Amino acid sequence: QQQVKQSPQSLIVQKGGISIINCAYENTAFDYFPWYQQFPGKGPALLIAIRPDVSEKKEGRFTISFNKSAKQFSLHIMDSQPGDSATYFCAASIGPNTNAGKSTFGDGTTLTVKP
Amino acid sequence: KAGVTQTPRYLIKTRGQQVTLSCSPISGHRSVSWYQQTPGQGLQFLFEYFSETQRNKGNFPGRFSGRQFSNSRSEMNVSTLELGDSALYLCASSLRGTQETQYFGPGTRLLVL
Repeated sequence: QQQVKQSPQSLIVQKGGISIINCAYENTAFDYFPWYQQFPGKGPALLIAIRPDVSEKKEGRFTISFNKSAKQFSLHIMDSQPGDSATYFCAASIGPNTNAGKSTFGDGTTLTVKP
Repeated sequence: KAGVTQTPRYLIKTRGQQVTLSCSPISGHRSVSWYQQTPGQGLQFLFEYFSETQRNKGNFPGRFSGRQFSNSRSEMNVSTLELGDSALYLCASSLRGTQETQYFGPGTRLLVL
């Protein structure tokens, strides 16, 4: 059973445009939602993360929007740049005491930003 | 501060063999998690160790095992390798667990022939 569904699978955006990636989860016990960026040949790197007590978090050009009632969260990349071309993963985890360390990942979105 | 290191980076094995992968976390980090990444299944959680104890485990068969040493370094072992075990194995470390920033290593790419 896939607990985190990510869409789209791939995304092509023009330089300067907005990239939007969506994730939906099923388990209401999830309480930590990070986004990771992965370049070819590298491990994922944390971009930004949110907890369900806030509806939005912004760090530079990256914003997470969180909708607890819909069990959805999304990543917005403003002013997308060719250097943002990578695979993006959303994740969800439960914690900290009962299931600490168990993260469930979405399938990933391959973003291509055209110059 | 040095990042998470994983050795070896590449490995070729044959079916039925066993393999041990190593992960050295960032200094001071006590939590080490292991993930399997494949094109078909994506990133899947294997297990997490904290202070030498397995704190959580994903849905993988018993052929997959791990351990953590007193210096927080961790090893992962896969016995009786199957073709489907071919994957990128990633290790991630954090101070206390996945509820905070996890730092991933570059991974070990395992090919089973």
